[in-house]
Amino acid sequence: AQSVTQPDIHITVSEGASLELRCNYSYGATPYLFWYVQSPGQGLQLLLKYFSGDTLVQGIKGFEAEFKRSQSSFNLRKPSVHWSDAAEYFCAVGEWGTGANNLFFGTGTRLTVIP
Amino acid sequence: EAGVTQFPSHSVIEKGQTVTLRCDPISGHDNLYWYRRVMGKEIKFLLHFVKESKQDESGMPNNRFLAERTGGTYSTLKVQPAELEDSGVYFCASSPAVPNYGYTFGSGTRLTVV
Repeated sequence: AQSVTQPDIHITVSEGASLELRCNYSYGATPYLFWYVQSPGQGLQLLLKYFSGDTLVQGIKGFEAEFKRSQSSFNLRKPSVHWSDAAEYFCAVGEWGTGANNLFFGTGTRLTVIP
Repeated sequence: EAGVTQFPSHSVIEKGQTVTLRCDPISGHDNLYWYRRVMGKEIKFLLHFVKESKQDESGMPNNRFLAERTGGTYSTLKVQPAELEDSGVYFCASSPAVPNYGYTFGSGTRLTVV
């Protein structure tokens, strides 16, 4: 069965510091992978997605993620965090091509940014 | 283009009462999804509509939950009677007819059952 693990419930970083949020997945075939962000009072916004091809994916707001099949990981990175990045981040894996079209999410990582 | 709209944004009801959540997808989006996040847990799939038909309702927790999508436009999710464990945030999402990746999510309805 598909599953996603985000091992860090809460991360605190200083503004301007680099960021890496971890995501590991369990999926039998080639996964479709996503990162979403939820800011307070907002919906889930898609940051980036991976389907195939280049394993380093660029997203919005300066985020990137790298797909590593050997490690079943899809970690999210940003070289320099801004205060506005404080939010909750969700990794998800998609189950397309099997008749189902739903996403499996991790439990989320809450990011706090300190001045 | 308007996004996915959900209301109410918050609802507090007593155990045993009925609550109806509404989702207005992006105009023209055939696919509509409901997800739920219980406090501290992952966001879980509930069901998927294609137009007015239920494509997949494998995530619906029990028969106290009833989802409809009249005319293939907006959707409602009714919980009757509500139980304490139904508390959480209910998200709706929509996507175009060609199953495309990365839906557009609404901001969610926070349901609290007391």
